[in-house]
Amino acid sequence: SQQGEEDPQALSIQEGENATMNCSYKTSINNLQWYRQNSGRGLVHLILIRSNEREKHSGRLRVTLDTSKKSSSLLITASRAADTASYFCATVPNSGYALNFGKGTSLLVTP
Amino acid sequence: GAVVSQHPSWVICKSGTSVKIECRSLDFQATTMFWYRQFPKQSLMLMATSNEGSKATYEQGVEKDKFLINHASLTLSTLTVTSAHPEDSSFYICSALGLAAFRNEQFFGPGTRLTVL
Repeated sequence: SQQGEEDPQALSIQEGENATMNCSYKTSINNLQWYRQNSGRGLVHLILIRSNEREKHSGRLRVTLDTSKKSSSLLITASRAADTASYFCATVPNSGYALNFGKGTSLLVTP
Repeated sequence: GAVVSQHPSWVICKSGTSVKIECRSLDFQATTMFWYRQFPKQSLMLMATSNEGSKATYEQGVEKDKFLINHASLTLSTLTVTSAHPEDSSFYICSALGLAAFRNEQFFGPGTRLTVL
């Protein structure tokens, strides 16, 4: 069942600006992952952060995790038009491996 | 990284027919695969968990007799949409669970777009 909630649902920014997306979840997790999806295409795995980690970086991406607040954020710095896509957070519970996806944030980066 | 393929990438069929979608892990073995469904402008919803050599586990609200899942080998799981209707039109995505060296990460296929006329 869906448990992640992203906000905002939609975000429109200009190239060069930073984009921040938030995700909240309800139950204990083993890890949280962020994915990207271009319109009508498959998923691209961006980053995985484990429950004992607080922050992780990958290139222009920065992910934080606050297990006490059951929330995570994805920051994309110096955004580019090519970053335009939908971004989903997904949680993996402590037992099992199935991903629970959030509703996603639609990001539009204009040149 | 591990590669997962899906076939076909898109399919159009008439109402009442059955459609089979294949999900293959190309360079690793996967005892567990997952099937997700995504309606337009919505998120992915887990339909079922497919375990090699045993029956699939379906999520609440997913009809097991309509969505038949077979996981006969460590590299192949199939989803058959039986007696498809227009409301079954969706984007179906599979993922394969890579154990051990892949640190329990899921690797996603590119998806299959099903359109039922």
